[in-house]
Amino acid sequence: QKEVEQNSGPLSVPEGAIASLNCTYSDRVSQSFFWYRQYSGKSPELIMSIYSNGDKEDGRFTAQLNKASQYVSLLIRDSQPSDSATYLCAVNIPNDYKLSFGAGTTVTVRA
Amino acid sequence: EAGVAQSPRYKIIEKRQSVAFWCNPISGHATLYWYQQILGQGPKLLIQFQNNGVVDDSQLPKDRFSAERLKGVDSTLKIQPAKLEDSAVYLCASSLDTASGSTQYFGPGTRLTVL
Repeated sequence: QKEVEQNSGPLSVPEGAIASLNCTYSDRVSQSFFWYRQYSGKSPELIMSIYSNGDKEDGRFTAQLNKASQYVSLLIRDSQPSDSATYLCAVNIPNDYKLSFGAGTTVTVRA
Repeated sequence: EAGVAQSPRYKIIEKRQSVAFWCNPISGHATLYWYQQILGQGPKLLIQFQNNGVVDDSQLPKDRFSAERLKGVDSTLKIQPAKLEDSAVYLCASSLDTASGSTQYFGPGTRLTVL
């Protein structure tokens, strides 16, 4: 079983709609969760981090964490063409202090 | 604040040749990471340094890959000899420390093509 799993997509949404991205992880004691955005040919850029159960909002982005279900999601509201990118879920492995990344979900926002 | 710097940005070599990549982390960041990202996959950690010591190199193919961070700042990743499957983007990242939740900042990467 992969440590971090994401739907590979591609996920196509119309401009102005909500894009919903999902991520599951295998290590129940994982502590920290991150969403990175990666434009084609560019390096990953951190957009959200979440450490506690519940929702965390930052502008048009909302991260949701449910540790009991080992599930973290990212919602992008009012999607814009500039949101078209691959979104990487990363999970901190306790005691190893390293991040494990999912394969990413590619989002395309249609104008 | 300057970001993570990497060079070269692109490199094309033939199999069995050697290649080296350089990384300069964000000033003051004690922890430095080298990742390999194959097309269509997420980054895979190769090696992690805390200052000039290795924290984790469990996924580094040590028969061909080596890395050093002699003065606790810049780092070099070397591949010798290269194989076709080494074609990937090599990302360097840095963070303040190894604490859980410490944000990692990525450099622009080096795209390696092995022919």
